[in-house]
Amino acid sequence: DQQVKQNSPSLSVQEGRISILNCDYTNSMFDYFLWYKKYPAEGPTFLISISSIKDKNEDGRFTVFLNKSAKHLSLHIVPSQPGDSAVYFCAAGPGGSQGNLIFGKGTKLSVKP
Amino acid sequence: DTAVSQTPKYLVTQMGNDKSIKCEQNLGHDTMYWYKQDSKKFLKIMFSYNNKELIINETVPNRFSPKSPDKAHLNLHINSLELGDSAVYFCASSPGDPTQYFGPGTRLTVL
Repeated sequence: DQQVKQNSPSLSVQEGRISILNCDYTNSMFDYFLWYKKYPAEGPTFLISISSIKDKNEDGRFTVFLNKSAKHLSLHIVPSQPGDSAVYFCAAGPGGSQGNLIFGKGTKLSVKP
Repeated sequence: DTAVSQTPKYLVTQMGNDKSIKCEQNLGHDTMYWYKQDSKKFLKIMFSYNNKELIINETVPNRFSPKSPDKAHLNLHINSLELGDSAVYFCASSPGDPTQYFGPGTRLTVL
């Protein structure tokens, strides 16, 4: 039973355009949502997060949107760069450092020059 | 200056052996975790320690035993290795909010 779902295993985008990565969740107790980026043979790197009291958080080229009623979040990357090519994981948890983070299966983003 | 480090990066061993993976963080975080990424690429939490005390123990065989000598270290010891234990194991730490910082991973291959 996947509580966090990333339904697109891959996404290909042209350099300079917007990349939109999507994530759905089922557990309404989730209070905190994160996006991680992972290159091959490396650990996931924290990218951006959002708490359930917000609907948008922006950090440079990266913006995360949260739609709690739809239990959906998305990561927007504008403009996309070839160095953004990686696997992006969505994660969700109850908040606090001692709660479980539940990860999605990841979406592989390829940004073509 | 690595924040969360793991050794070894690769580990190849025979079924039935006992092995350990070490994790150290120099971030001063109180909470550390072990995750397993299986062949289907799911990242699943195995254990969570807060200040050397076990907080979360997901359904993990008791052949897996985490050991935390101090709050900067969380080692993973695996007894009687099985083929299904082959995976990438990630250590992570957290500063007291939900954000977790991951190590580079240890790829374990059991032959």
